[in-house]
Amino acid sequence: DAGITQSPRHKVTETGTPVTLRCHQTENHRYMYWYRQDPGHGLRLIHYSYGVKDTDKGEVSDGYSVSRSKTEDFLLTLESATSSQTSVYFCATSPTAVNEKLFFGSGTQLSVL
Amino acid sequence: RKEVEQDPGPFNVPEGATVAFNCTYSNSASQSFFWYRQDCRKEPKLLMSVYSSGNEDGRFTAQLNRASQYISLLIRDSKLSDSATYLCVVNRVFHESNFGNEKLTFGTGTRLTIIP
Repeated sequence: DAGITQSPRHKVTETGTPVTLRCHQTENHRYMYWYRQDPGHGLRLIHYSYGVKDTDKGEVSDGYSVSRSKTEDFLLTLESATSSQTSVYFCATSPTAVNEKLFFGSGTQLSVL
Repeated sequence: RKEVEQDPGPFNVPEGATVAFNCTYSNSASQSFFWYRQDCRKEPKLLMSVYSSGNEDGRFTAQLNRASQYISLLIRDSKLSDSATYLCVVNRVFHESNFGNEKLTFGTGTRLTIIP
């Protein structure tokens, strides 16, 4: 299995607070992604990165920002958490081509109260 | 209409039986197709890619029907360990995206339970 670690695994926070989720990979994969998974929806792309400091928006990027200062780390920040951002967040990587064989981290369950 | 649609199930199937489920996609420009498996409260994992000619991996067979815009997954001699949610994933190429002109769309998944 690809070495993708997400932290924290679970988080409960209050509306209006900032939250940062971390994804760390040991595979030297170029592409990294943040998805959210909600009941009734397929996984939806929030942001992605195609290299260090190279990021772009996915389909549900409002309220989220990302940063990638090193190949191995991709951070997702909720600037001011809202209840609609309660979800399971998955980080994923792919080695050589965009959208080819995604490897997923174990996920972060985020609850915003 | 959703870009990718799957029957959510659940499919409850006795051990040893054969089960098949389909996934339909709406955009004829879709280029590549995948099945992922997701166990309860776990991350998705790639099960297999789907090729135009159809492909097989052990007990699993994937088919693509471009004319009718669906892909299928057949599981033969089902095992208890096959119990999971199966996600259909479609990759579409288009020109207005910044993301390498491609977009992956995930279905909501079909839940399969194999009964002893």
